[in-house]
Amino acid sequence: EIVLTQSPGTLSLSPGERATLSCRASQGVSSSYLGWYQQKPGQAPRLLIYGASSRATGVPDRFSGSGSGTYFTLTISRLEPEDFAVYYCHQYGTSPRTFGQGTKVEIK
Amino acid sequence: EVQLVESGGGLVKPGGSLRLSCAVSGFTFSSYSMNWVRQAPGKGLEWISFISSSGKYIFYADSVKGRFTISRDNAKNSLYLQMNSLRAEDTAVYFCASPTITMIQGVTDYWGQGTLVTVSS
Repeated sequence: EIVLTQSPGTLSLSPGERATLSCRASQGVSSSYLGWYQQKPGQAPRLLIYGASSRATGVPDRFSGSGSGTYFTLTISRLEPEDFAVYYCHQYGTSPRTFGQGTKVEIK
Repeated sequence: EVQLVESGGGLVKPGGSLRLSCAVSGFTFSSYSMNWVRQAPGKGLEWISFISSSGKYIFYADSVKGRFTISRDNAKNSLYLQMNSLRAEDTAVYFCASPTITMIQGVTDYWGQGTLVTVSS
């Protein structure tokens, strides 16, 4: 099983600041099959990034993804009030599919 | 408009069974694999099962293997999850989810609103 470890667990930032979230895999993940999700309380997850770096439809360009192999990052260039949420990385190239434990981005 | 609507959740005693359904509309259901993902209260996301578009290929997380069965009816545009021998640790919101799909407006995936399963005596 590929274990995805996200860091930090919580990121305390102010609106307008840059957020960098990390996702480290216990073994190599095909970039084609690494995604990032945003989840707000009481809602289903929302796909932000697929294929490690491609933005899903409707996702603002302040969200970007990068990385390969065992290390991936999600960057939010300038935090908007609606961006404060929990973010998960997800690998879907190898069964069992796995999610990271999540990074909470909270208002400082 | 794409819609995934789960149903079938509720309160069940340990050792009991439930069958979840996910009704899909807005895309060609029979062309795509599907997944079930769950989220225990206050916890993260856990993938639990995958089924290919034809139903030929099926995978499970170890945590549910041998107790849960995923299936689909392409004629009814529906996905199912039969859950047997339920345990307290199966308490969660269960989501059905599509893979990424390329539509006219772009690429995204689709999730249902979730259905809550509570296992308690």
